[in-house]
Amino acid sequence: DQQVKQNSPSLSVQEGRISILNCDYTNSMFDYFLWYKKYPAEGPTFLISISSIKDKNEDGRFTVFLNKSAKHLSLHIVPSQPGDSAVYFCAAAPSYNTDKLIFGTGTRLQVFP
Amino acid sequence: GAGVSQTPSNKVTEKGKYVELRCDPISGHTALYWYRQSLGQGPEFLIYFQGTGAADDSGLPNDRFFAVRPEGSVSTLKIQRTERGDSAVYLCASSLYGGLGRTEAFFGQGTRLTVV
Repeated sequence: DQQVKQNSPSLSVQEGRISILNCDYTNSMFDYFLWYKKYPAEGPTFLISISSIKDKNEDGRFTVFLNKSAKHLSLHIVPSQPGDSAVYFCAAAPSYNTDKLIFGTGTRLQVFP
Repeated sequence: GAGVSQTPSNKVTEKGKYVELRCDPISGHTALYWYRQSLGQGPEFLIYFQGTGAADDSGLPNDRFFAVRPEGSVSTLKIQRTERGDSAVYLCASSLYGGLGRTEAFFGQGTRLTVV
């Protein structure tokens, strides 16, 4: 039972354009949502997060949008850069156990010149 | 180094053998996590330590898996009687106080375990 789903295994975007990565979840108890970025042979690195009391959080080129009614969140990267090419994982946790992150299967983003 | 360090980077073992995977967290971080990432999947929670004690071990798949953190710093994940299905990248992470949903966790590069 996959509680956090990333239905697009890969995404290819031209440099300078917007990248939109999507994530759906099934557990209405999730209160915290995070995006991690992973380069080959490295561990995941934290990118941005949002709590369920907000619907948007922005950090530089990265913005995460949360639609609680649709149980959907998305990560927008604009403008996309070649260095953004990596695997992006969506993760979620309920407020009663914020130490047990549930990860999606990841989306591989490739930004080409 | 300043980051989370995991050793070895790669481990190949025969089915049925015992293995130990080591994690050195960032100095001063009280919370330590083990995750497992199988091919094509996202990281899967195994266990969480707060200090020396296992605060949540609900992700350990069975009693062949065990983890310790005796002095509240370095942690060792131990797998007995390894099976081919144990093959995965084992990731360790640490954070200053815990609460990954609210605070940043720092992951190591992982140990790739291959059971042949």
